[in-house]
Amino acid sequence: DIQMTQSPSSLSASVGDRVSITCRASQSIGSYLNWFQQKPGKAPELLIYAASVLYSGVPSRFSGSGSGTDFTLTINSLQPEDFATYYCQQSYSTLWTFGQGTKVEIK
Amino acid sequence: EVQLVESGGDLVQPGGSLRLSCAASGFPFSNFRMNWVRQAPGKGLEWLSNIGPSGSTISHADSLRGRFTISRDNAKNSLYLQMNSLRDEDTAVYYCARDRDYYGSGTYYRAFDLWGQGTMVTVS
Repeated sequence: DIQMTQSPSSLSASVGDRVSITCRASQSIGSYLNWFQQKPGKAPELLIYAASVLYSGVPSRFSGSGSGTDFTLTINSLQPEDFATYYCQQSYSTLWTFGQGTKVEIK
Repeated sequence: EVQLVESGGDLVQPGGSLRLSCAASGFPFSNFRMNWVRQAPGKGLEWLSNIGPSGSTISHADSLRGRFTISRDNAKNSLYLQMNSLRDEDTAVYYCARDRDYYGSGTYYRAFDLWGQGTMVTVS
């Protein structure tokens, strides 16, 4: 299986900050990388697919980059509603795997 | 309204069985691949199973070791997960998720674009 490793596991930030989360795949996955946001008690929601394409309705302060094994989710000007846990997921193999998650907390 | 609604979660003893359901509405269910994903309390997301639109293509995570079986009934717009030989570590919220193709840069990319609210399974 393809292993996905996110860093950091958690971070503290303030409203208005720029935040970056990294996801590394155990093998090259091209651009087959998705990002999800999950708030407490809620289902995950798709943010980005194909490493950098913003899903419909997702604010433009979210962006994704990378290819191969290294990927980044960036949130520009963090908003109160962005405090959540973020997961990457590879879609290269249909034995889907997720990263362990990154919790973004209020500083 | 486009939505997925899971049901069937319950408290079950170790070694027991349970069948989860996921009711789809608002979209042509029979056109889409579907998945089950779970999340143990305080933990991350774990993909479990995928089924093709007709039900003829199925894949399961190796970790399940044949204990779980995914199925669907397109006439009822429903997805199922039969869980047998349940263990304490199967305690989790179970989500169903729609699997959709998105075209870009000359190829198709897949993403889980619609999720249910989840159903809780407790094995104890």
